[in-house]
Amino acid sequence: GDSVTQMEGPVTLSEEAFLTINCTYTATGYPSLFWYVQYPGEGLQLLLKATKADDKGSNKGFEATYRKETTSFHLEKGSVQVSDSAVYFCALNSGGSNYKLTFGKGTLLTVNP
Amino acid sequence: DSGVTQTPKHLITATGQRVTLRCSPRSGDLSVYWYQQSLDQGLQFLIQYYNGEERAKGNILERFSAQQFPDLHSELNLSSLELGDSALYFCASSEQGRGEQYFGPGTRLTVT
Repeated sequence: GDSVTQMEGPVTLSEEAFLTINCTYTATGYPSLFWYVQYPGEGLQLLLKATKADDKGSNKGFEATYRKETTSFHLEKGSVQVSDSAVYFCALNSGGSNYKLTFGKGTLLTVNP
Repeated sequence: DSGVTQTPKHLITATGQRVTLRCSPRSGDLSVYWYQQSLDQGLQFLIQYYNGEERAKGNILERFSAQQFPDLHSELNLSSLELGDSALYFCASSEQGRGEQYFGPGTRLTVT
């Protein structure tokens, strides 16, 4: 079945540091890939997505590239801010008639001033 | 604001009881999904409805059931509650045929 593996946190960085959160997946067919972010006490917000190989999703300075050859979708940001502190989830769906999302376990990011 | 609403925000109840969680999808979205988030299991898909019909089931217990009404809002019913059912329950909606889902703020259920 589908699965998502992402690096376990917590990750603690200083403001303006470079961020990478690794995500790899196992899926049948050609899944769509997503990063969601969950701020404390809130629901999940879609951060970015990619629907086919070599697509790059980007939003708010975050980027991730769909790499089919390595089945990866790593999240990166060149300069993090304190406001980026949150839990980040990598997710996929395999499409078809069921668009359920399969999530990784989440990575807690804390950015210190 | 995702446009997905959920009520109530918090729910505290006793073991053996039954509760109903409510979700209203974004305007125009026909699909509704329910997820459970717990510390030990992470985010788990429970069930999907599309335009009033059940479309897919995930790790949903037999004590749990859901439905989607003609106005497209959905309810998740949890019965014979156990301590282990304490979790955050999220509803999400999507436009059928597109992959991204938009999540509500969640209902935090505490079973005592």
